[in-house]
Amino acid sequence: DAKTTQPNSMESNEEEPVHLPCNHSTISGTDYIHWYRQLPSQGPEYVIHGLTSNVNNRMASLAIAEDRKSSTLILHRATLRDAAVYYCILSPPFNFGNEKLTFGTGTRLTIIP
Amino acid sequence: NAGVTQTPKFRVLKTGQSMTLLCAQDMNHEYMYWYRQDPGMGLRLIHYSVGEGTTAKGEVPDGYNVSRLKKQNFLLGLESAAPSQTSVYFCASSSPGPGGPQHFGDGTRLSIL
Repeated sequence: DAKTTQPNSMESNEEEPVHLPCNHSTISGTDYIHWYRQLPSQGPEYVIHGLTSNVNNRMASLAIAEDRKSSTLILHRATLRDAAVYYCILSPPFNFGNEKLTFGTGTRLTIIP
Repeated sequence: NAGVTQTPKFRVLKTGQSMTLLCAQDMNHEYMYWYRQDPGMGLRLIHYSVGEGTTAKGEVPDGYNVSRLKKQNFLLGLESAAPSQTSVYFCASSSPGPGGPQHFGDGTRLSIL
């Protein structure tokens, strides 16, 4: 499986945008980029995913570099509830035996009031 | 809307005892997964299932068995518990298809003495 590299930790002020980087230089052409987050004492929560184009949903935006070797998760206006560990994960399409996600250690995001 | 429900939420076992963790999902998902998470680490896949009656090994399957007799349920069994299996166990489910998000339960905290 292709590997991702994320900073161990980041801090951001409340009500400001947050940009969480992820490097994945060995990504293959069919790999999807997934972002999940895990709040304290909870299971992971899906945030967003994409393949080539930038993606937006109600939680966040995903900006994917043109060469797909890096991506950035953007939280437009951080709240205290966004404090969590954020995981950037690559996977092939979920079919034909490629249904697995491999979690790394992620980025621990701290929000400063 | 319950989503993914794990039973029990907490359990303490003695070395050598056996137990079964239950995961139930009400989203009609084909795929189900069992992960474990040790302190300071990301999730590691134990076993998964791509449909009723099917199971497959993940990254760390030794010491565990699973069964998927009904589409909505995925059972994780520990035949002879060991202290190394002290962990938080998460169940997840998803649909097939590109990037299908996984939905997680709140976890089972298991301590083996």
